[in-house]
Parts: sequence; C-alpha cells; structure tokens
Amino acid sequence: DARVTQTPRHKVTEMGQEVTMRCQPILGHNTVFWYRQTMMQGLELLAYFRNRAPLDDSGMPKDRFSAEMPDATLATLKIQPSEPRDSAVYFCASGPVHEQYFGPGTRLTVT
Amino acid sequence: AQKVTQAQTEISVVEKEDVTLDCVYETRDTTYYLFWYKQPPSGELVFLIRRNSFDEQNEISGRYSWNFQKSTSSFNFTITASQVVDSAVYFCALSEFGSGTYKYIFGTGTRLKVLA
Repeated sequence: DARVTQTPRHKVTEMGQEVTMRCQPILGHNTVFWYRQTMMQGLELLAYFRNRAPLDDSGMPKDRFSAEMPDATLATLKIQPSEPRDSAVYFCASGPVHEQYFGPGTRLTVT
Repeated sequence: AQKVTQAQTEISVVEKEDVTLDCVYETRDTTYYLFWYKQPPSGELVFLIRRNSFDEQNEISGRYSWNFQKSTSSFNFTITASQVVDSAVYFCALSEFGSGTYKYIFGTGTRLKVLA
C-alpha cells in the first residue's frame, strides 16, 4: 500500500532557526503539493510541482519559505528564518493532478 | 472568485443515524473538480471522492453517497447508518484552472461526532 512519507513528524524549534521538512511522494505520481493547516486559516495550499517543476507557489510567503524538488523522490519545504506564526501542521500530498494523497504531516512548533 | 462553503461547523449524531454534510461552491470556470476528504483524529487526510463538473451522476460507495447538483452549486455527502469510526473532520474542496494553473481551495471542514 503506497503512501506519502514525511519527515520529521514533529519539530520544535526556536524562532530564527532554519526548518527543513521533507516529503517522499508516491512513486509514479507527477504532482506534489505542500499545504499548511492551522486552526485559524484552515488548509492552505502553499505550492505545488508537476514533473518536479514549480507550477504555483503563490500561497507561500516568499521572503522566508522555499520549496524544491531536487529529484522525483524528494520534495522539500524550507523556512528560514522561522517565526512563531509558522507553527502549524504541514502536509505534503502527491497524485495525478486531480487526486491528492496526503502524507501524515509535520507538526511544527516555533517558540 | 472561487470559494467553498461548509456551513455546518459541527454535527453530532447517534450511531446508525444518517447524516448529510453540505458543501456549496463558487467558481467561474465551466471545468472544475470537487473532492471530499476525511481527517480522522489521527490527523491524516484521506481522499474519499473526486467529481468533475461534467459528471453529475450521483455516486454511492458502501455507506457513503454523494449528490452533485450544478444547478445549486452543491456537492453534498451523506453517510448512511453512521458508525463511531466515521467521527472525523470532513473537508470539501474545489480545483479549477485559472491564470494558467490549477487552484485548489478547501472548505473549513465539518466536524462529525458519532455517538455510541
């Protein structure tokens, strides 16, 4: 049963530190998404890639967030420097473009 | 602008009752997709169904059924004979193609509590 994997599952860091979250999409899926979930904002799409190329990152704060796909088996989301308002659950999803399968998420706490 | 509204914030039912979760959407496109996802207490989001805008056939999968009505811009989800394991937050979502890329919008979710 293929699944999207995300590491780490939990991360606690201090404000100003760099945070890197990793995602391994399901083999064969050509679209990878990054979402953020908070109580206040709900689920927000940050960015997505198709065939490793970034297609839309309009939901991402550009000054501190960056997303990349160095290869087809790895997607990364980086925050530098992190701030307390970045505390959230970050989900990666992969799929054909209209069918998203989510990973378990990374719960980030920035103190 | 595209929008997904799930007006029911929380619903509580007793086991074996039927329950319908409402979803109303707004879009300017004629081609779009609608989805339902389940988020159980474990936190993972589970894909339930996808519907494209050209397919208004209702769908049934076991105890789950979906009613898509373009005339009212609704895509409602019914659970028949609910069970405690159905307790979760359910999200309705929309994707449409605009400005050269797909946009994905999620509703705020409906928390379903099924009581034994």
